[in-house]
Amino acid sequence: EAQVTQNPRYLITVTGKKLTVTCSQNMNHEYMSWYRQDPGLGLRQIYYSMNVEVTDKGDVPEGYKVSRKEKRNFPLILESPSPNQTSLYFCASSLWRGTGGGSYNEQFFGPGTRLTVL
Amino acid sequence: SQQGEEDPQALSIQEGENATMNCSYKTSINNLQWYRQNSGRGLVHLILIRSNEREKHSGRLRVTLDTSKKSSSLLITASRAADTASYFCATDGDLNTDKLIFGTGTRLQVFP
Repeated sequence: EAQVTQNPRYLITVTGKKLTVTCSQNMNHEYMSWYRQDPGLGLRQIYYSMNVEVTDKGDVPEGYKVSRKEKRNFPLILESPSPNQTSLYFCASSLWRGTGGGSYNEQFFGPGTRLTVL
Repeated sequence: SQQGEEDPQALSIQEGENATMNCSYKTSINNLQWYRQNSGRGLVHLILIRSNEREKHSGRLRVTLDTSKKSSSLLITASRAADTASYFCATDGDLNTDKLIFGTGTRLQVFP
């Protein structure tokens, strides 16, 4: 089954304790992306990647890191989480058709990770 | 940064009625997409309309795009209780990047 998986689905942690949220897709998609969703703010893109070893900042990258060592995986790293990073996080993937083409195709979303930072 | 803005923020209707949601954006786009989200779940792609298209249909969904007004509308005909969800538009935020910009969404409630 074609899907995007995220782990963990729920996480409660404390300020400053490094964490990683994993994301994996089995559709051989080049484009992968992380979003956070907050009430009243919609989805905001954190980072995206057009292919292995190619990443770029979205609109709210501060406090986050990503890596793309393999095509199927795109982990989101919070080196020193803070309470303002409490949010619902989504990973998504899609085909990519070159610069400016990342959004030419539908995005497939994972089920979400609800993160609470105390 | 550019952001799609949906209108209204919330909409309540009875089953069988039509629901119309609007999206406005700020800069030129390659395409515009609509997504649906059931409470707390991941988004599901509904329809994509390219900048050179004016109208597109998919089942009970009808999407229009007016690039001169930088706006799009999503019409759901003969709504069902199962259509209750949040609906988001998304645009490529900058023609020279691969960003995707989502709006804040319209919360649709369909009463049986």
